[in-house]
Amino acid sequence: EDKVVQSPLSLVVHEGDTVTLNCSYEVTNFRSLLWYKQEKKAPTFLFMLTSSGIEKKSGRLSSILDKKELFSILNITATQTGDSAVYLCAVDRRPGGTSYGKLTFGQGTILTVHP
Amino acid sequence: DAGITQSPRYKITETGRQVTLMCHQTWSHSYMFWYRQDLGHGLRLIYYSAAADITDKGEVPDGYVVSRSKTENFPLTLESATRSQTSVYFCASSWTGMETQYFGPGTRLLVL
Repeated sequence: EDKVVQSPLSLVVHEGDTVTLNCSYEVTNFRSLLWYKQEKKAPTFLFMLTSSGIEKKSGRLSSILDKKELFSILNITATQTGDSAVYLCAVDRRPGGTSYGKLTFGQGTILTVHP
Repeated sequence: DAGITQSPRYKITETGRQVTLMCHQTWSHSYMFWYRQDLGHGLRLIYYSAAADITDKGEVPDGYVVSRSKTENFPLTLESATRSQTSVYFCASSWTGMETQYFGPGTRLLVL
């Protein structure tokens, strides 16, 4: 059975701290891993990772994928209160299988950033 | 550009009633999805559709019915609502199923 596991489930930090969120997966026909941010409303897209070892970066957020060890990390540097949210990891699969196009999500990591 | 919308945004109903949640997207995306989000479970796929008149079950389809007669609409029906279906429901869409999905604002459903 396909599985996506995120850790930690929750994290409390202070502004300025750096955080690392983890996502491990066991998925057949893996194609890509996606990160979303959810702030009390719809999830919004952050990154899509398909290749191992290539860092994706957007401002203070960055992410990398390790397809050998089957995990990804999301880093947030110099955290701000606006980074408080649930961070969701999801995987999708290559065409041809019965699960093509369907995302499997992890449980999410609740990040709280205190001023 | 309305994007993807859901209605109603909030709904309270009683056990045994039929409820339909609406999803509409203006991008002409081929793929549409319904998820439910519950504490401790993240987002779980209920049903998805690759095109008009093509639908398929996701991870938790029991108790739900979908249809897709038009590309832009993907309604989700709870045939006989149960308390365990109290949840937040998100609709999403994507062009081909090979790239990121865009989510609607969600419908918060309470079944009493």
